Amino acid sequence: DARVTQTPRHKVTEMGQEVTMRCQPILGHNTVFWYRQTMMQGLELLAYFRNRAPLDDSGMPKDRFSAEMPDATLATLKIQPSEPRDSAVYFCASGLVRKDRLPSYEQYFGPGTRLTVT
Amino acid sequence: SQELEQSPQSLIVQEGKNLTINCTSSKTLYGLYWYKQKYGEGLIFLMMLQKGGEEKSHEKITAKLDEKKQQSSLHITASQPSHAGIYLCGADVDQGGKLIFGQGTELSVKP
Repeated sequence: DARVTQTPRHKVTEMGQEVTMRCQPILGHNTVFWYRQTMMQGLELLAYFRNRAPLDDSGMPKDRFSAEMPDATLATLKIQPSEPRDSAVYFCASGLVRKDRLPSYEQYFGPGTRLTVT
Repeated sequence: SQELEQSPQSLIVQEGKNLTINCTSSKTLYGLYWYKQKYGEGLIFLMMLQKGGEEKSHEKITAKLDEKKQQSSLHITASQPSHAGIYLCGADVDQGGKLIFGQGTELSVKP
């Protein structure tokens, strides 16, 4: 049963601290997304990668957030320094882009990382 | 996102009743996704629709994409308590694969 996994599931940290969230996409998937969910804003796209290359990070605050894919099995989202307004649930999703099924394809979400910044 | 409106925002139904949730876009939908979420958990993929007029079913849940590809509906037949949760529609509106999401519809099913 292939799934997207995320660690940690919960994180409580103090303002100013660095936070790193990790995601393991489904094996074989070539596209990875980072979303953030809050009560006020709902679910928002932060950034996404295809074949490990960043395609769009326009939804991400550039000064403090960074997203990378060191290899095909790991995506990271880092916040430095963290602020209370970053408190949210961060989701990773992955999908397989196939030319014969463009423009859209199924995207599967991980369980999320619940971040609380005090 | 205001580009994608879901209605109703919340819904309480008696077990066994049918219900419909709507998702309307101000732009053409190149892909429309339905997900279910339980509080504190991730999103469970239900269905994806791409073609105008397309309809898909999974167990007692049916989703349709209208011919103009700007609206989708999710219909649950003979609702059960296990159907309770938040239903989210997500849309690809620029053919890039990245999704915008509606605000969700919270469904409660009374036994």
